[in-house]
Amino acid sequence: EIVMTQSPATLSVSPGERATLSCRASQTISGNLAWYQQKPGRAPRLLISDASTRATGIPARFSGSGSGTEFTLTISSLQSEDFAVYFCQQYHNWPLTFGPGTKVDLK
Amino acid sequence: QVQLMESGGGVVRPGRSLRLSCAASGFTFSTSGMHWVRQAPGKGLEWVAVISYDGRNKYYADSVKGRFTISRDNSRDTLSLQMNSLRFEDTAVYFCAKVNGYYGFDALEIWGQGTVVTVSS
Repeated sequence: EIVMTQSPATLSVSPGERATLSCRASQTISGNLAWYQQKPGRAPRLLISDASTRATGIPARFSGSGSGTEFTLTISSLQSEDFAVYFCQQYHNWPLTFGPGTKVDLK
Repeated sequence: QVQLMESGGGVVRPGRSLRLSCAASGFTFSTSGMHWVRQAPGKGLEWVAVISYDGRNKYYADSVKGRFTISRDNSRDTLSLQMNSLRFEDTAVYFCAKVNGYYGFDALEIWGQGTVVTVSS
């Protein structure tokens, strides 16, 4: 099983600041990585697929990068609606696995 | 509008069974791989199972293998999860999700709102 880790566990950011979230895979997953945003009581929402492709309707302030085992999600200028938990997920091998999440909260 | 709507959750005693359903609309269900993902209270996301577009290929997480069965009815645009021998640790919100592909090896692009399963004595 591919183990996904994320850092930091919590990121405190002020509106307008840049947020950088990291995700690491225990073995290479090429570019088969997705990022999701989840708000309390809601389903996850796909932000990024294939490590760097924004999903339909996702604002340009969200960007993804990386390949192999190291990946990054960047929110260029945090808006109030971006405070949430962010999960990475690999779809390179079964079982699909998620990272434990990074909570982005208000500084 | 692409939509997934889960149903069938509830409170059930350990060892009993429950069947979840996911009604799809707004897209061609018969050409999409489909997944079940769960989230225990206050925890992260755990992938449960996947089924290919035609129902021929299925994979399960080790934690549910032999107890849960994923299936689909393309004539009714419905995905199902039969859950047997339920355990306390199966308590979670269960989401269905679709991928943009036939077999499931892709990002989960659309999610349902989830249905709550509580296993309690």
